[in-house]
Amino acid sequence: AQKVTQAQTEISVVEKEDVTLDCVYETRDTTYYLFWYKQPPSGELVFLIRRNSFDEQNEISGRYSWNFQKSTSSFNFTITASQVVDSAVYFCALSEATSGATNKLIFGTGTLLAVQP
Amino acid sequence: DSGVTQTPKHLITATGQRVTLRCSPRSGDLSVYWYQQSLDQGLQFLIQYYNGEERAKGNILERFSAQQFPDLHSELNLSSLELGDSALYFCASSDTLGTGLNYGYTFGSGTRLTVV
Repeated sequence: AQKVTQAQTEISVVEKEDVTLDCVYETRDTTYYLFWYKQPPSGELVFLIRRNSFDEQNEISGRYSWNFQKSTSSFNFTITASQVVDSAVYFCALSEATSGATNKLIFGTGTLLAVQP
Repeated sequence: DSGVTQTPKHLITATGQRVTLRCSPRSGDLSVYWYQQSLDQGLQFLIQYYNGEERAKGNILERFSAQQFPDLHSELNLSSLELGDSALYFCASSDTLGTGLNYGYTFGSGTRLTVV
């Protein structure tokens, strides 16, 4: 069965600090996708990244970086030099991609990041 | 604008009532998913439709039902509403069932339901 665990419920940092949000997933599929979404106070879900199970390269996008490690079933998200605008709830999510099966997206419980000025 | 349209944005109704939430998927997307986000349950998958047919069911209550119409828009019907049904309901769409280079999900902005 699919499961996504975000053990950190809330994180508070001061502006310019680096912060890492943890995500651990469980799946029996060999082909799957991992996602990160941001939910600011306004409520919408903002797509950040998609990673498929065959691509373990780390990715960097500006101040954001992602570390995918299949050996530990983790897909962690780091924000470098955090800013107040990064304050939001961040969700990690998983979908299995077996052809013909449902590909529903399963979310972790989210991590509330508060960046203090 | 993500391309997924949800209406209404806000809805306030009384316990025991019935409401319908509407979702228009992004153009070309065949799959529609419904999610419920409540304070104590996080983002819960409710149901998925693919090209008019039900594809998967999650933790959807019997009081809730959904359908996808020939024009691919979807409606989520919530009946005999209870205070605990107050939540943000999201619709998402995708173009495939799990393959493709551009595989992903597009979320609407949600419908905030308040049951009083």
